[in-house]
Amino acid sequence: EPEVTQTPSHQVTQMGQEVILRCVPISNHLYFYWYRQILGQKVEFLVSFYNNEISEKSEIFDDQFSVERPDGSNFTLKIRSTKLEDSAMYFCASSEAGQQGADNYGYTFGSGTRLTVV
Amino acid sequence: AQSVSQHNHHVILSEAASLELGCNYSYGGTVNLFWYVQYPGQHLQLLLKYFSGDPLVKGIKGFEAEFIKSKFSFNLRKPSVQWSDTAEYFCAVISYYGNNRLAFGKGNQVVVIP
Repeated sequence: EPEVTQTPSHQVTQMGQEVILRCVPISNHLYFYWYRQILGQKVEFLVSFYNNEISEKSEIFDDQFSVERPDGSNFTLKIRSTKLEDSAMYFCASSEAGQQGADNYGYTFGSGTRLTVV
Repeated sequence: AQSVSQHNHHVILSEAASLELGCNYSYGGTVNLFWYVQYPGQHLQLLLKYFSGDPLVKGIKGFEAEFIKSKFSFNLRKPSVQWSDTAEYFCAVISYYGNNRLAFGKGNQVVVIP
């Protein structure tokens, strides 16, 4: 079964440092997403990406965050200057269709990257 | 904004007991509904989804869920749980005419005791 792959599985970084979280979506998927889950809280939407541009972002996704699809297979999330409150599990997801109700709509999630900011 | 509520965050059961996890959402329009499971150390996996049609949806691993539109609910059930069902379960909703984001509930941590 095709998988969404995320690396690294765990990253520890110092406050103020830049981090890049990497994701390889399923190859024929066109829509890509980042979500995060702070310990004990809900999984929250960050951003969606289609056709090489952001299609939607949440209020969490401020100027410290950026996404990129640098080479047609990877999908990255960059946090420019990490804060303690950025510590969370970050999930990448991809979907074949962007239309709700389509049978192939359902997201496929990666295993997540646990980011710890110290 | 749409919201998703899951109650009883921690559930402890014995094997062979029946499981029911409640999910209520606030959005009034047409919605697509999902249940995801996250086993310890693993990624979110889709258990089942509802788009339209029969409101009783069967998913993987013996799980089913019933969409009751009048109650804005999409409760997850399994008649007889196994130790391997120990996991966190998340309900998620997406509005049909809205944005492309999934709104998740807070999750239910289910522990099945052998």
